Amino acid sequence: QVQLQASGPGLVRPSETLSLTCAVSGYSVTSGYYWGWIRQPPGKGLEWIGSIYHSGSTYQNPSLKSRVTISIDTSKNQISLKLNSVTAADTAVYYCARDPTNHDYGVYYFNYWGQGTLVTVSS
Amino acid sequence: SYELTQPPSVSVSPGQTARITCSGDALPKQYTYWYQQQPGQAPVLVIYKDSERPSGIPERFSGSRSGTTVTLTISGVQAEDEADYHCQSADRSGTYRVFGGGTKLTVL
Repeated sequence: QVQLQASGPGLVRPSETLSLTCAVSGYSVTSGYYWGWIRQPPGKGLEWIGSIYHSGSTYQNPSLKSRVTISIDTSKNQISLKLNSVTAADTAVYYCARDPTNHDYGVYYFNYWGQGTLVTVSS
Repeated sequence: SYELTQPPSVSVSPGQTARITCSGDALPKQYTYWYQQQPGQAPVLVIYKDSERPSGIPERFSGSRSGTTVTLTISGVQAEDEADYHCQSADRSGTYRVFGGGTKLTVL
């Protein structure tokens, strides 16, 4: 059974960089699939941040692309998210998820989700 | 940027049928997926590729598409179905994933 667990600081100061990791168990990130980050501000809907393939290729939300870095660490079987120059608008629960994208079949979704971690941006 | 539109809320009595819609210009070209999210929990996939049900999802959950609108139908709604429901798809090129704003289903 695939399990994902996001973790990182729960409080980040404005203008600083938010850094999260997602530990994957029950499946090797090198075996295929994309791995994605999604966030949800309190009381609001879900927003896709970006997804990364085990090769390192990424797709990112154009509204966040200039501030986002997504990476994959195959030795630790985990993915990471960095979001720089954060503001209060970046306060959200951040989820990592497995993204079984298949361009040939037009399949783009998330089938396994971690529990999420709340990040608050405040001074 | 590409957007998916959902109604903010839907209310239904137990045993009735709930229908939650999701509209987007690219939906005739891309599959739609539906997630159920209970309070304080991560989303759970309930419908994939417009109308397929993952294993373990009750048969009362179904999905359909008509033009630029897709519909999640919950037949014989139960109290445990009260949750937020999010639709998700991709833009025409398949480059970007996008979510609808979410619909809160209230079971009266």
